[in-house]
Amino acid sequence: DSGVTQTPKHLITATGQRVTLRCSPRSGDLSVYWYQQSLDQGLQFLIQYYNGEERAKGNILERFSAQQFPDLHSELNLSSLELGDSALYFCASSSPSGTDYNEQFFGPGTRLTVL
Amino acid sequence: AQKVTQAQTEISVVEKEDVTLDCVYETRDTTYYLFWYKQPPSGELVFLIRRNSFDEQNEISGRYSWNFQKSTSSFNFTITASQVVDSAVYFCALTSSKLTFGTGTRLQVTL
Repeated sequence: DSGVTQTPKHLITATGQRVTLRCSPRSGDLSVYWYQQSLDQGLQFLIQYYNGEERAKGNILERFSAQQFPDLHSELNLSSLELGDSALYFCASSSPSGTDYNEQFFGPGTRLTVL
Repeated sequence: AQKVTQAQTEISVVEKEDVTLDCVYETRDTTYYLFWYKQPPSGELVFLIRRNSFDEQNEISGRYSWNFQKSTSSFNFTITASQVVDSAVYFCALTSSKLTFGTGTRLQVTL
């Protein structure tokens, strides 16, 4: 158990809908990262938050947004969903040193299926 | 831009065989870190090792060992005496500003 929790585990929804994925980092970690894992794109970095502020952006679509709350949990919002958004979404957290060189600990993932 | 290449898509071995998973990386940065993660069939990503760009010392942890060669930009992972529980997808990753993963190598260990 990495100490990172993600809810829900599975999510099935329809095209055009909006969903919210939730992540709680390990105790004491200030950085939260979101990744998308799909068969055709592999593991792609989406976005990073550090202590409530956006720190880095990767291949995140404009239909997707995220935030990190004062209690450090994070939410990833996916809107206007398309079939191609079906994937496993991981959240990860890393230690509070502020650098990007620390190992990241991953949650169990949320499997999103868009029908 | 940084890139990680895992040329081996899938490897199949019989239990007790040794197996090496290759990882080649590209980066223009002089300071960077390399990682290996394991993704078993259950789906979670498990951290295995971190190595910084200034430390080329090889590392051994039980049946696992890692060979970092800066001259060839490689960070290979060897499992000695493989076991069925080693069956998983293994990802090599690189970070200098953001974590970039390779495409993974699926290792199948059979009896």
